[in-house]
Parts: sequence; structure tokens; C-alpha cells
Amino acid sequence: GAGVSQSPRYKVAKRGQDVALRCDPISGHVSLFWYQQALGQGPEFLTYFQNEAQLDKSGLPSDRFFAERPEGSVSTLKIQRTQQEDSAVYLCASSPGWRTGDEQYFGPGTRLTVT
Amino acid sequence: GESVGLHLPTLSVQEGDNSIINCAYSNSASDYFIWYKQESGKGPQFIIDIRSNMDKRQGQRVTVLLNKTVKHLSLQIAATQPGDSAVYFCAENRWGSQGNLIFGKGTKLSVKP
Repeated sequence: GAGVSQSPRYKVAKRGQDVALRCDPISGHVSLFWYQQALGQGPEFLTYFQNEAQLDKSGLPSDRFFAERPEGSVSTLKIQRTQQEDSAVYLCASSPGWRTGDEQYFGPGTRLTVT
Repeated sequence: GESVGLHLPTLSVQEGDNSIINCAYSNSASDYFIWYKQESGKGPQFIIDIRSNMDKRQGQRVTVLLNKTVKHLSLQIAATQPGDSAVYFCAENRWGSQGNLIFGKGTKLSVKP
């Protein structure tokens, strides 16, 4: 079956623009995670959803970052008034359960470049 | 603070040799560890995991070793192949938590034919 998909794959934004990044998780997966991966670094946790509930947003770097998953399936990560330091790959992962040990399946990521 | 780091940022091996990638973690409360492989332009791919009640786990051509005394994790790849070339990350979590992972910086493995 299809894996996790993300769109767009690449996004170039001028500083100050708003962007919206989409994640389509594997069908039926309960958990959804967003991570930010700077160049040459490991992914860093941003936020976590269990179905439509956002249970943890402790990793969001500022109030310019907002994520939603209104129907417990597709999720959108929105970044308002983008800054150069927002340039990174944004990874989405989904998991069939909500417990540690349930494998997380990652999408290919969206590479955001802020100019 | 909580962190997962790697001893070697790059590793170059000959095809057919065994590879060993190391990782140190600092959070003694972590009890679940995963190795991921990330190829260029792709998301991380699960390789193998281990819980802290084990010190060794084997998969197909891969073995993970956990030394809780010195907070060290390693990934051994047997008979390394060109397709193994990628960046490898270790990640940690606490069993029973919601599952968001803490990743290290990664080691780039380059396999020479």
C-alpha cells in the first residue's frame, strides 16, 4: 500500500510569506508526528497528534508554527511570516498505534527554503 | 540535558566488510532505542530497535548492541553493500511515553566497491 506522502516536496518562500505543508499518513494510522530536520542534523520533534487531538506541541519553535489534523487523517503544518532560520526539511511520520514501540513510518519530507 | 550523539560523523568501508556505527546517549531514563537509515531525499527508514532490558538484538545482516553502563549503542552491518550507503541515525525514547523520538546527528556511511 501507499506510504506516507507529503506535499509539496520542495517549497521556496520569500521571508515573511506564509506556507502550508501537507502530510497524508498511512490510512488508519492513529498517531502522526511532525519533525524538523536542519541540514546535516537529525530530525527534531515538533508536534504530535493522536487522531485529531494535538497532544504535544512542545517542539514548535515559535507561535508562528501551527499544526492541525481536523479529521484525524491529513495534517497540515503552517508557518506564518517565514524566517530564514525556518529553512529545513519538514518530515511527517505516522504510526498505527500510540505506544512507544509502534513503528513510525516517515514521509519523504518537504524541503523549505526561505530566501 | 537530553541528547543522543555519535562518535563518528563519517565512515567509509569496503564492500563486503563489516561496518560498526556508534552512538552515545546521555538520558539515563531512555529505555527504547531505534536505528534509522536515511537515503538522500528520503525520510528515515526503520532498521532495528532494542529495549533496555536487552543488550543485543539481531536482524537481517544487522545487529544492535546496547551497553547501559556506559550509555552506548552500536549498529553492526555485516557484509556491507553499496546499497547500505546512507546516513544512519540512532534515536531514543522512553517506553510508555507517546513516542516522539530524540535523534542524534547521524553518521554517513560510504561503501566503496
